Amino acid sequence: GIQVEQSPPDLILQEGANSTLRCNFSDSVNNLQWFHQNPWGQLINLFYIPSGTKQNGRLSATTVATERYSLLYISSSQTTDSGVYFCAVLDRGSTLGRLYFGRGTQLTVWP
Amino acid sequence: DTAVSQTPKYLVTQMGNDKSIKCEQNLGHDTMYWYKQDSKKFLKIMFSYNNKELIINETVPNRFSPKSPDKAHLNLHINSLELGDSAVYFCASSLGQVTGNTIYFGEGSWLTVV
Repeated sequence: GIQVEQSPPDLILQEGANSTLRCNFSDSVNNLQWFHQNPWGQLINLFYIPSGTKQNGRLSATTVATERYSLLYISSSQTTDSGVYFCAVLDRGSTLGRLYFGRGTQLTVWP
Repeated sequence: DTAVSQTPKYLVTQMGNDKSIKCEQNLGHDTMYWYKQDSKKFLKIMFSYNNKELIINETVPNRFSPKSPDKAHLNLHINSLELGDSAVYFCASSLGQVTGNTIYFGEGSWLTVV
């Protein structure tokens, strides 16, 4: 199956700082999603972004499909941004809808 | 209104027992999934159903048996529970088989086998 690598594995920030999380994938994809798992364990959709750029408030994401990576930007981070950020992809050859997840970036934002 | 709901949220049980986790979605989606998150937070698909038909069955022990009575429900039954089954189990749904669609997760069911 497709390989998904996320970096960095851990990130510690002071409130107000900006950050960039990266997701590399080993094959062409036709679905890429970013999720936030909050400290209570809930998995929340952030972006559906197989290509291009999207913004939602302080968060934005860019996927460069031809170069097989996606970036998640968090600006002016807040303590509520803490948690694990996952990238998940569906490889282009798949007809069954099997999403492959990266191992996540654990973000801790201190006040 | 919870879009994808799972019960129970927490389950502590002894080895050898049989248990079920139930999932319901009110989004009108036709595809539902079970994912397992291990202690290192790695998420991996277990099963997927599309309109009550099993379409993905990963390498999962036979002790795990999903059942979809209708397209809004997907339950997971686990026989003869083992210590290694301790994990968080997430139900999810999407409109169609994920291609081009967002997948929505339930809140998870924390299973601890003692």
